[in-house]
Amino acid sequence: DQQVKQNSPSLSVQEGRISILNCDYTNSMFDYFLWYKKYPAEGPTFLISISSIKDKNEDGRFTVFLNKSAKHLSLHIVPSQPGDSAVYFCAAKAAGNKLTFGGGTRVLVKP
Amino acid sequence: KAGVTQTPRYLIKTRGQQVTLSCSPISGHRSVSWYQQTPGQGLQFLFEYFSETQRNKGNFPGRFSGRQFSNSRSEMNVSTLELGDSALYLCASSFIPGGQETQYFGPGTRLLVL
Repeated sequence: DQQVKQNSPSLSVQEGRISILNCDYTNSMFDYFLWYKKYPAEGPTFLISISSIKDKNEDGRFTVFLNKSAKHLSLHIVPSQPGDSAVYFCAAKAAGNKLTFGGGTRVLVKP
Repeated sequence: KAGVTQTPRYLIKTRGQQVTLSCSPISGHRSVSWYQQTPGQGLQFLFEYFSETQRNKGNFPGRFSGRQFSNSRSEMNVSTLELGDSALYLCASSFIPGGQETQYFGPGTRLLVL
């Protein structure tokens, strides 16, 4: 069963506008959530994380929102830049170090 | 501080062979996890090591194994390779396992099984 889902496989946005990526999870034991950015044939690069005791975390152009009751999190990128074009993965963990990943969302930022 | 390094970066093997991949974590990091990425299954957890002990294992057959050395470097081994083992193998390290620790990934080893 897919415990972490990213329902939008792709997203296209104009440079300077906001990109909003969504992620849903089913396992209520998840207590730490992370977003990674990935280019083809490279390892994921950590972007931002959020603990389950918070509902928002901000780092520069990246903000992650967590809605525990809805088991939903989102990543906002503003303003979007052409260099943000990549695949974005949502990941979650419970106890231990095992990350459960969503299927990814491919973001294309058009100049 | 140097990031996670993985060797080799690319590898071509034939069915039935075995392969060993290596991972050096970020200096000071003692937890190493391995993941497999394929187009069909996405990113999947293989196993995790801390203090030379396997702490957690994903849902992979026994052909996939690993170990960790006293300097925290880790290796994973796949025996009797199958075509479906073609994938990007990623290593990630964190200071300690569990809690609110972020895992940082290496560049991966691209394995092609012919």
